[in-house]
Amino acid sequence: DAGVIQSPRHEVTEMGQEVTLRCKPISGHDYLFWYRQTMMRGLELLIYFNNNVPIDDSGMPEDRFSAKMPNASFSTLKIQPSEPRDSAVYFCASSPGPSRETQYFGPGTRLLVL
Amino acid sequence: AQKVTQAQTEISVVEKEDVTLDCVYETRDTTYYLFWYKQPPSGELVFLIRRNSFDEQNEISGRYSWNFQKSTSSFNFTITASQVVDSAVYFCALSEAWGKLQFGAGTQVVVTP
Repeated sequence: DAGVIQSPRHEVTEMGQEVTLRCKPISGHDYLFWYRQTMMRGLELLIYFNNNVPIDDSGMPEDRFSAKMPNASFSTLKIQPSEPRDSAVYFCASSPGPSRETQYFGPGTRLLVL
Repeated sequence: AQKVTQAQTEISVVEKEDVTLDCVYETRDTTYYLFWYKQPPSGELVFLIRRNSFDEQNEISGRYSWNFQKSTSSFNFTITASQVVDSAVYFCALSEAWGKLQFGAGTQVVVTP
């Protein structure tokens, strides 16, 4: 079975540009999570969805970040406008249940904002 | 407050040595879940094991073993006879019953030939 799919794998953009990260969760998983990994802050949860509905977005750093899940097989994380401090690896994960269930991670998107 | 502490930042060993990674967690819940993930140099996060708070049975899987001790709030991970391919960052994580998955800072394992 295919795992979590993320695209693009790498993104280089200039400050002020819009960035859209994409995720396809494992089929049948009702939960989808977006994480950000940086050297300074480690792995931090940005937002998660249950059955396509955002449940907790308290980790979203600011209004420049937004996430959507229009259907069970697709989610986006958008940054507009991007800033150099947004440079990080963004992971998408999915699971069959809430956080007590195993989350399976995608390969990540490495974002560099110049 | 940090709920998962991985005190070892980096561990360097020579191939075939055993290496134990420490993980100490903090929770007031009686029901919780502990995880270990591996992040190799390629960057993906690979699930290794999940344990719930009611299952203190230690487990061995190939060269990997886990030691869960509720009395000391520890969930340690041992790689036996390490290999170069074990070089990675290993993360311990905690999920309380209805909370988020919280990761430790990770331990970098470097295995040299």
